[in-house]
Amino acid sequence: SQQGEEDPQALSIQEGENATMNCSYKTSINNLQWYRQNSGRGLVHLILIRSNEREKHSGRLRVTLDTSKKSSSLLITASRAADTASYFCATDARTGGFKTIFGAGTRLFVKA
Amino acid sequence: DVKVTQSSRYLVKRTGEKVFLECVQDMDHENMFWYRQDPGLGLRLIYFSYDVKMKEKGDIPEGYSVSREKKERFSLILESASTNQTSMYLCAGCRDRGGGQPQHFGDGTRLSIL
Repeated sequence: SQQGEEDPQALSIQEGENATMNCSYKTSINNLQWYRQNSGRGLVHLILIRSNEREKHSGRLRVTLDTSKKSSSLLITASRAADTASYFCATDARTGGFKTIFGAGTRLFVKA
Repeated sequence: DVKVTQSSRYLVKRTGEKVFLECVQDMDHENMFWYRQDPGLGLRLIYFSYDVKMKEKGDIPEGYSVSREKKERFSLILESASTNQTSMYLCAGCRDRGGGQPQHFGDGTRLSIL
């Protein structure tokens, strides 16, 4: 099964609301990344958080990491219609760590 | 700005054909990857390469091969296309072999096998 699994699978909110997406993983990691994918396009890297970090911010994005629970969350504040996309977490495993494993993603729809 | 270019956005081929998907990066990155993306399954790694003429199998290499003759170009080959290879194919490049660096993706090739 996949290393990273996002929750929820889909999320629909109004513009201006906050959106929270969660990611759980199974094995110890070196770092965790979040990516965004607009419909029909490739993935775009958003933010990377290392295993010794607990929280990271980038603009309207806030990522947390809880290694004891093997989980991460991505918060998008004051969402905009342009934030409509799929969001993926990706983990680099601590052992044999060359391979990055992606989850199945959360589809976010922001209504204007 | 970094750029990964995939030669085709959409491609339609017939069962049994040999299919080539091309990917070029301008980042001088050593590491390149081929994924396929299917609904509900996320991205699955087919092959990756960490140097010219080097290749490593990913999670689902069966039915595929790759070629890396030049640093900037990584080709995915479907030896004899089958309908279950209909999918979105994504190429990516990355600077750091050990992880910890973002992967830069192309816009994908949506391949249909009839």
